[in-house]
Amino acid sequence: EPEVTQTPSHQVTQMGQEVILRCVPISNHLYFYWYRQILGQKVEFLVSFYNNEISEKSEIFDDQFSVERPDGSNFTLKIRSTKLEDSAMYFCASSTGVDTGELFFGEGSRLTVL
Amino acid sequence: KQEVTQIPAALSVPEGENLVLNCSFTDSAIYNLQWFRQDPGKGLTSLLLIQSSQREQTSGRLNASLDKSSGRSTLYIAASQPGDSATYLCAVSRSGNTPLVFGKGTRLSVIA
Repeated sequence: EPEVTQTPSHQVTQMGQEVILRCVPISNHLYFYWYRQILGQKVEFLVSFYNNEISEKSEIFDDQFSVERPDGSNFTLKIRSTKLEDSAMYFCASSTGVDTGELFFGEGSRLTVL
Repeated sequence: KQEVTQIPAALSVPEGENLVLNCSFTDSAIYNLQWFRQDPGKGLTSLLLIQSSQREQTSGRLNASLDKSSGRSTLYIAASQPGDSATYLCAVSRSGNTPLVFGKGTRLSVIA
C-alpha cells in the first residue's frame, strides 16, 4: 500500500543550525502538507503546497520556515535557524485533492533542538 | 476560528468493553471529519473519514458517526482489545484541500 515516507526519523541539532526535513508523498497525490506536534500538545498545521507553490500557511510558518519540491518526488521543510521551541514531531501529509479530501500522514520526524 | 475538543482526555477500560470517544467542533461548516490513531512517538494512521453529507462510517470494530448540525462526532469501538491502546485524534476540515484542525486526542488504555 502506498505510503508517505519521512526522513530522518529523529534529528538532534544545536540552536541556530539549519535543518531540512524530507518527505516523499504518495506518488499520485497533488497536495502536500506539513504539520507539527509539540510534545503533549495538539497537531498543528504549518503549510500546504500545491502546484509548486504555497497554498496556505499558518501563523507558525514564519520567515524561518520554507518548503520546496526540488524534484518530482521529494517535499522538504527547511528551518533556517532553529530555536528551542522548534523541538517537535513534524509530520508530512499528502492528498489527491479531489473526492473525499482524505489526508495520509507519514511517521514523522522528531526534531530536538539543544 | 474552528476549535475541536475531545472528551475524555484519557480513558482506561477492561478488555472486551465497548466504548465511545467523543469529538465536538465549534463551526459546523465542515467538509469532512477524520479519526486517526496515534501510537506513542509514531505517526497518524487514518481510521475513518466521514464526509459532511454522511452520518456514519464503519470499519471492522470501529464505527464513527457525525452530527454536523450539533457539531459532534463519536467513535465507537466494539469489543476493545489491548492492541487498541493508543491516542485517538479527531480532525475536521472546512473544504477538501484546507488544513485539518485537530483535537488534542483521547488516550485509550485497554487492560487485559
